[in-house]
Amino acid sequence: SQKIEQNSEALNIQEGKTATLTCNYTNYSPAYLQWYRQDPGRGPVFLLLIRENEKEKRKERLKVTFDTTLKQSLFHITASQPADSATYLCALEDSSASKIIFGSGTRLSIRP
Amino acid sequence: DAGITQSPRHKVTETGTPVTLRCHQTENHRYMYWYRQDPGHGLRLIHYSYGVKDTDKGEVSDGYSVSRSKTEDFLLTLESATSSQTSVYFCAISADGDTQYFGPGTRLTVL
Repeated sequence: SQKIEQNSEALNIQEGKTATLTCNYTNYSPAYLQWYRQDPGRGPVFLLLIRENEKEKRKERLKVTFDTTLKQSLFHITASQPADSATYLCALEDSSASKIIFGSGTRLSIRP
Repeated sequence: DAGITQSPRHKVTETGTPVTLRCHQTENHRYMYWYRQDPGHGLRLIHYSYGVKDTDKGEVSDGYSVSRSKTEDFLLTLESATSSQTSVYFCAISADGDTQYFGPGTRLTVL
């Protein structure tokens, strides 16, 4: 069956450290994968998109990798800050259905 | 919220009543989506639209219908609300079908 899994439901790390979130998928062949941030009581906000032919993408303190062999994406926040605390969602393109499928998210908490 | 509004923002209704949620955009984006978000399930697609009067079902479409008579408006109707439809509903828009921009959400409670 098709699955998209974000391995950690919650992740707590110390301010200043690098946060690494994982997204794994099975039985999909996405042309791209996205990461979104969601704060409590608000809609998700788009952060980054990485295509299947890109190994890595960066935006300020954010870095995303995409390994189509491992069927995995890693999302890194370097020099993490308490303001980075939120739920992070990965989403992939289901090319067979022309839709975006979302993972259930990882709740990240950065403690001062 | 990228020129997207949802109304109402909160609604409490009773089982068996019809409910309509409205999504309005000012971005002139072609694609519009309705999702529901529940603990443990993440965001699940209900219906989407790829143009005026062009709609298709998502993975959890039973009990829901949609209409899009204008580019800027996408309506979600619960024909006869049930307690299992208690959820937070998000509308999203996209220009190209890739990156999506979400509205603020509607919290619906069905008693």
